[in-house]
Amino acid sequence: EPEVTQTPSHQVTQMGQEVILRCVPISNHLYFYWYRQILGQKVEFLVSFYNNEISEKSEIFDDQFSVERPDGSNFTLKIRSTKLEDSAMYFCASREERGRADTQYFGPGTRLTVL
Amino acid sequence: AQSVSQHNHHVILSEAASLELGCNYSYGGTVNLFWYVQYPGQHLQLLLKYFSGDPLVKGIKGFEAEFIKSKFSFNLRKPSVQWSDTAEYFCAVNAPGSSNTGKLIFGQGTTLQVKP
Repeated sequence: EPEVTQTPSHQVTQMGQEVILRCVPISNHLYFYWYRQILGQKVEFLVSFYNNEISEKSEIFDDQFSVERPDGSNFTLKIRSTKLEDSAMYFCASREERGRADTQYFGPGTRLTVL
Repeated sequence: AQSVSQHNHHVILSEAASLELGCNYSYGGTVNLFWYVQYPGQHLQLLLKYFSGDPLVKGIKGFEAEFIKSKFSFNLRKPSVQWSDTAEYFCAVNAPGSSNTGKLIFGQGTTLQVKP
């Protein structure tokens, strides 16, 4: 069964450094998402991406964040200058464009630790 | 703003006990509702979803959920839990609308521990 994959599984970085989290969505999916979960808190929506542009973003997704689909298979989340509070599990998800009720498939997550 | 509440943060049951996990949402319009499960060390997987029709939906592994519109609820049930059901359970809502992008709003999750 096709899966969403994410790399790396764990990323440790120093505050102020740039990080890029990578995701490979399921190949025939057209909608892509990033969510994050700070330890002990809810899974929070960050951004959705469709047709090579952001379709919606949350208040969390400020100028420090960006997303890109550089080559038709990868979907990346970049944090330009990491802060301590960016430490979280970051989940990528994708879905087909059959309808809004369609299932989102999640990747295993990348645990980002900012020191 | 839309929100999702899961009443139980941590539930401990013995095998064969019945399970009910509560989920309430705040959105007043038409919604799509989901339950996801995250087994230890694994990624979020869909258990079941509701978008229209019969308010009692059946999912994988013997789980079911009932959508009660008047109560804004979508509680998850299983008549007899197994040790392998130990996991974290997330209720999520997607509120369709003219500008909807499919984003999910999650509850805070319920950790279920089943004792053998």
